[in-house]
Amino acid sequence: AQSVTQLDSHVSVSEGTPVLLRCNYSSSYSPSLFWYVQHPNKGLQLLLKYTSAATLVKGINGFEAEFKKSETSFHLTKPSAHMSDAAEYFCVVSVKGGYNKLIFGAGTRLAVHP
Amino acid sequence: GAVVSQHPSRVICKSGTSVKIECRSLDFQATTMFWYRQFPKKSLMLMATSNEGSKATYEQGVEKDKFLINHASLTLSTLTVTSAHPEDSSFYICSAPSQGRGQLIEKLFFGSGTQLSVL
Repeated sequence: AQSVTQLDSHVSVSEGTPVLLRCNYSSSYSPSLFWYVQHPNKGLQLLLKYTSAATLVKGINGFEAEFKKSETSFHLTKPSAHMSDAAEYFCVVSVKGGYNKLIFGAGTRLAVHP
Repeated sequence: GAVVSQHPSRVICKSGTSVKIECRSLDFQATTMFWYRQFPKKSLMLMATSNEGSKATYEQGVEKDKFLINHASLTLSTLTVTSAHPEDSSFYICSAPSQGRGQLIEKLFFGSGTQLSVL
């Protein structure tokens, strides 16, 4: 069975410092993995996706994530946090079956301080 | 990009009443919409798939009579929580895939969610 674990419910960083949001997955076959971001009062927005091509995936707003099969991880990183990055981030695995069910992690709330 | 509008964003109701949540695709037609629920500090869980012009498909463990879904048009799906109880308090979010080629995941657009509090 597929599952996703986001290791931190809250992460707090200072503006200009690196961001690391951790995600581990469990899948019985090669998964498709995604990161979504949700800003207050906005819908979820796709940040980036991994679909068995390059293991280092670049997304929008300077975010990237690396798929590490040996560690079953798909951590999200950004070299330098910006105040506008403050939001809720969801790691998601896609279960292929008809309409591609999505399995969501519990989310990580990122706070960015001046 | 495509927009999915969800209304209301927040609702407080008394136990025993029913609450309707609307999900609209504003600039595209959606024959399918998805409804999710998120418990505090838990993942978003798929509740049901709403199908335009036909019955919704519910995930295992979701009460069909409790969570009524109607998808009467290509741009509107509604979720009605009937006879709400405090344990129904949760964050509900809808999503809809826009048309076009590519994986579903790349075409999926989400509403901003509804926080339901049942007193």
